[in-house]
Amino acid sequence: EAGVAQSPRYKIIEKRQSVAFWCNPISGHATLYWYQQILGQGPKLLIQFQNNGVVDDSQLPKDRFSAERLKGVDSTLKIQPAKLEDSAVYLCASSFGQGVYEQYFGPGTRLTVT
Amino acid sequence: AQTVTQSQPEMSVQEAETVTLSCTYDTSESDYYLFWYKQPPSRQMILVIRQEAYKQQNATENRFSVNFQKAAKSFSLKISDSQLGDAAMYFCAYRSAGGNDMRFGAGTRLTVKP
Repeated sequence: EAGVAQSPRYKIIEKRQSVAFWCNPISGHATLYWYQQILGQGPKLLIQFQNNGVVDDSQLPKDRFSAERLKGVDSTLKIQPAKLEDSAVYLCASSFGQGVYEQYFGPGTRLTVT
Repeated sequence: AQTVTQSQPEMSVQEAETVTLSCTYDTSESDYYLFWYKQPPSRQMILVIRQEAYKQQNATENRFSVNFQKAAKSFSLKISDSQLGDAAMYFCAYRSAGGNDMRFGAGTRLTVKP
């Protein structure tokens, strides 16, 4: 079974530029998550989708971050404009459902904002 | 809001020995799930073990076991017969049974000495 795919793996941009990350979850997984992991910290949930609907985006900085999951499969996370404090690893995860279901993580995208 | 605390930023263990990683959490809920995730260097995060709060029996997965103390809100991970491949960041995580947000601790970096 193919795992969660993410691209790009690394990205370096200057502040105020925009960037987009892509995630393709495991086939059949209805739930998709985007996490931000700042160096030295645990992942923090940014947004959760159930199929193509947003379940939780309470911690998403909506003035600069946006995400979509058209057709309920792959997803994109965008930052515009980027700030220095956005430097982090952005993790995508998927699961069959919510609750106790295991979340499968992708390799992440390491973003450096200079 | 629920918080997860891992008080040991770093731990080390001799190969073949046993090590215990600590985790405490704060919640007013009675039904929830607890997880330990492993994040090897430059590799993706994988689930090590999970525990449903309503289950009194401690979860076990091969060399990995937990000590779940619900009243004390403690959820420690014991790794027996440590192997070099166990070296990684370990994250404790909490998820409400009725909620969406997975809360992670800051992680414990485990080093295994040959």
